[in-house]
Amino acid sequence: GEDVEQSLFLSVREGDSSVINCTYTDSSSTYLYWYKQEPGAGLQLLTYIFSNMDMKQDQRLTVLLNKKDKHLSLRIADTQTGDSAIYFCAENGGYQKVTFGTGTKLQVIP
Amino acid sequence: KAGVTQTPRYLIKTRGQQVTLSCSPISGHRSVSWYQQTPGQGLQFLFEYFSETQRNKGNFPGRFSGRQFSNSRSEMNVSTLELGDSALYLCASSPDVMNTEAFFGQGTRLTVV
Repeated sequence: GEDVEQSLFLSVREGDSSVINCTYTDSSSTYLYWYKQEPGAGLQLLTYIFSNMDMKQDQRLTVLLNKKDKHLSLRIADTQTGDSAIYFCAENGGYQKVTFGTGTKLQVIP
Repeated sequence: KAGVTQTPRYLIKTRGQQVTLSCSPISGHRSVSWYQQTPGQGLQFLFEYFSETQRNKGNFPGRFSGRQFSNSRSEMNVSTLELGDSALYLCASSPDVMNTEAFFGQGTRLTVV
């Protein structure tokens, strides 16, 4: 079945760049997503990338997709304390059967 | 535009009871999906509805069911509650068939005692 893996924890200093990595298994995924979850809150869609794209940039966020290696990354430039949250990578296997990774907890040190 | 609204936000139930959770999608969205989030299992897909039809279902027992109304609002029901059903239940709505963007509600925190 589908599987999405992420490292559990990342710690960065304020102002540095953060890179969160993800690997997935479903080669038929059409869309891949990055969601952010703050404590006690629902999921916030940060960005998504279509499977025929290699890169997508949206302000401080850059998504890189290596379809051959089934590797997705999210780079946050100039990381701020407000970026501290759990980040979920997810793939869409169709009809919104979205498979989420375990989430990466990003800690930003002032 | 109002976001995805889930009610109630918090719920405490006793083992063996049943519960109904509600989700109102963003106006104009026809797809609603449900997820269960627990510390041990993470986020798991429950089911998805589009125009009142269930299009996809995750690997959950039959105690978990759902439905969607003509106005796209959706409910999910869990019967014969177990302690392990304690979780955050998240609903997401999407405007289109391809579900490029799924917007999540704040969730309903269910505690089974």
